[in-house]
Amino acid sequence: EVQLVESGGGLVQPGGSLRLSCATSGFTFDDYPMHWVRQAPGKGLEWVSGINWNSARIDYADSVKGRFTISRDNAKNSLYLQMNSLRIEDTALYYCVKDYAVAATFDYWGQGTLVTVSS
Amino acid sequence: DIQMTQSPSSLSASVGDRVTITCRASQYISSYLNWYQQKPGKAPRLLIYAASSLQSGVPSRFSGSGSGSDFTLTISSLQPEDFATYYCQQSYSTPGTFGQGAKLE
Repeated sequence: EVQLVESGGGLVQPGGSLRLSCATSGFTFDDYPMHWVRQAPGKGLEWVSGINWNSARIDYADSVKGRFTISRDNAKNSLYLQMNSLRIEDTALYYCVKDYAVAATFDYWGQGTLVTVSS
Repeated sequence: DIQMTQSPSSLSASVGDRVTITCRASQYISSYLNWYQQKPGKAPRLLIYAASSLQSGVPSRFSGSGSGSDFTLTISSLQPEDFATYYCQQSYSTPGTFGQGAKLE
């Protein structure tokens, strides 16, 4: 059974930092690209960042470029998102998402970790 | 970035109804179109990928069609568990943008 379990969310002040983690199991982690997708309270879905299997290709949404860094540790079957210079508009539920390996198609989602940016 | 527009944004339907939700891309995306279902408090679930391929475990009452820039999600006979919000998403180019959602109530 595929499992994706996010952690690391919380309350942070504007300008602060957080590091999200996603522990995975139930599939061969280093066979698949992985992504972070977020959802602001009561809003729709927004893709944040993606990373291919060997970290050779990394992409970011314009809204987070230069502030967020995605990474993965294939030995630990884990995905990460380092978030710096956080803004109020970064407040959202952050989902760790597995790629179906069919062009950024998201077949498994974690339950999400909530990031709240507020003073 | 490619913009995805869904219509309607919300719709009322009854059990047994045939329901259609449309999604239009701002440019050509071939068949790189996915549909997701999200229930309150839950993560999204992949229903349809590559415009018309049914994800494993998804009931056959769900179907997808279209190519180019216009796409449709159809639920042939609405069941009580289908009341949810549905999102389309293009996977033709980065960023993989989502539609604004269509709430079925």
